[in-house]
Amino acid sequence: GAVVSQHPSWVICKSGTSVKIECRSLDFQATTMFWYRQFPKQSLMLMATSNEGSKATYEQGVEKDKFLINHASLTLSTLTVTSAHPEDSSFYICSARDKRLAGAGEQFFGPGTRLTVL
Amino acid sequence: GQNIDQPTEMTATEGAIVQINCTYQTSGFNGLFWYQQHAGEAPTFLSYNVLDGLEEKGRFSSFLSRSKGYSYLLLKELQMKDSASYLCAVSPNTGGFKTIFGAGTRLFVKA
Repeated sequence: GAVVSQHPSWVICKSGTSVKIECRSLDFQATTMFWYRQFPKQSLMLMATSNEGSKATYEQGVEKDKFLINHASLTLSTLTVTSAHPEDSSFYICSARDKRLAGAGEQFFGPGTRLTVL
Repeated sequence: GQNIDQPTEMTATEGAIVQINCTYQTSGFNGLFWYQQHAGEAPTFLSYNVLDGLEEKGRFSSFLSRSKGYSYLLLKELQMKDSASYLCAVSPNTGGFKTIFGAGTRLFVKA
């Protein structure tokens, strides 16, 4: 089956620092990856669509200069939370879409990264 | 705008059947998904409907009516491990294959 990994699984950082989260599709190629944020007891909120070889598409209200996304290859997308603040503490989940699938297709989710900003 | 509605919480008894409803209003439609999410974990795929009708997969079935903007997830022979959040999600076909998620329904299965 399709496997998506995320690293790190959890991270604690000081306010003002930057944190990079990696999302990898392990056994398939993904031209499109998605980054979500989930607060406790809430659903997934789409932050941005990461497109291989081009700029990410950000959802309304998401600061692109704060949440930097790079999709450098067909198997890797990174999310960098710059100048993190306590309100950025959340569960960040990525998902990937298999490029071979037509239509909407199923998304395969990574295990998530829990970010805590002190 | 995009809007997906589902009940916040439901409780059911082990061995019973439960139906979780979802209604949606989106700018276009390219399929509806159901995902299961246990607390602190990532969602796992349950079903995908793009045409009207019922899709059955083991103890789980999903129904779609595009004209009504309505879907339900049916769980049979409930087990304690089915206690989780169930997320209804729609691909609005606005390009880029993005998916919009509902707030999720937290299902509690009691003995």
